[in-house]
Formats: sequence, structure tokens, C-alpha cells
Amino acid sequence: ILNVEQSPQSLHVQEGDSTNFTCSFPSSNFYALHWYRWETAKSPEALFVMTLNGDEKKKGRISATLNTKEGYSYLYIKGSQPEDSATYLCAPNTGNQFYFGTGTSLTVIP
Amino acid sequence: DADVTQTPRNRITKTGKRIMLECSQTKGHDRMYWYRQDPGLGLRLIYYSFDVKDINKGEISDGYSVSRQAQAKFSLSLESAIPNQTALYFCATSRQGTDTQYFGPGTRLTVL
Repeated sequence: ILNVEQSPQSLHVQEGDSTNFTCSFPSSNFYALHWYRWETAKSPEALFVMTLNGDEKKKGRISATLNTKEGYSYLYIKGSQPEDSATYLCAPNTGNQFYFGTGTSLTVIP
Repeated sequence: DADVTQTPRNRITKTGKRIMLECSQTKGHDRMYWYRQDPGLGLRLIYYSFDVKDINKGEISDGYSVSRQAQAKFSLSLESAIPNQTALYFCATSRQGTDTQYFGPGTRLTVL
């Protein structure tokens, strides 16, 4: 079992604010790191997958970075919008199993 | 049509009953997974299957069994349901490689 920690647990920001979350995981047996976006009453949807130390991915206003040596990943949202409100899950993959964090719940206040 | 479907979407049952949750996919993926989600605990892996002849236990397999009837079908059974199995259950699929997971809509199971 992998110990995956996400912080903060929840976050409320004003529309237009930029924000970031952290995912920490053991750096040993690392294969890939996934970020998912999970809206209420829906299923988790994939945002990014990163495999190499120093990887950076971007999709619109959302971006992510990866540090496999120290075991963390950051997710950034620039200029948050109400439609960004969701729970953001990170999931390190050891090659056989996924281990999901409990997520960061983001609420963007109009 | 949805790529990953789950039936039923909601189920209420009684302690001791046998329950089967079904998952089907049209994505052509070889890998399938069953997770449960409990408030405050995130998604936890119950079982996973990398192909039809491969079944593996996940983090919390006790009290559950699975069957991979075909590449496209993966069912989860609760042999004798108990109240602490009340949860939201998700099926997911992936392709070998980066293993990005594609989730079904979930099944909400309540065991009274």
C-alpha cells in the first residue's frame, strides 16, 4: 500500500484567483503519476499523466509538475473559474496498482 | 453511448444477500478494475484484471470476488453483503502503457 497525501483537503477561492495543490507519494517504485478531476455526481476524469522527473503538463489554465526524486507533484490552476469546482485526485502508479489520494476539494466562488 | 457502463446504478439490499455488480466497456482496453469510494477515504482498489485470464487482489479484496467473463466484461460479487460494504463502487478500464483510467458512472450500494 502506498501512502499518498494531498493537501490541502479543501480550498475555497474567489473567481479569478490562481491556486495550487500538492500530492506527496513515496519516491520508490514509481512508474507514473496521474491527476484526475472529479465533479460532484460524475466519475473521475483524467487530466494528466506524468512519468519523468521534471515533467510538466498543461491543459488550458491547468498545469502540473512532477518531482520523482522527492516524491511530489503540484497542480496549478490559473484564473480559477466556477466550472473548475471539483475534487482533484492524484494517483501514483507502481506499474501494477493505482493508489489514489483522498483529493483536494476546490470550490470557486463567483 | 458511454464507453464504460455499470449496472445497476443504485441498489439497496439486506445483510447476507449475494449481490453482483456488472461492468462492460467498449473501449477495447485489456485492463479492468473495481474500486470503492467511502467518504474521507478516497478510491480504494478491490480487484484488478490485466486480461481475461489474469485476476489480482487489490487493497481491500476481503468479502468480494470477481469474474472476467470476457475482455469487455468484469463483474464484482459480494457473497454475503454486510452494512460496511455500503459505498459507491466504480469500475475502470485502462490500456497497458500509461494506464490512464477511464471510469464508469458508479454504482451506489446500500446494505441494510
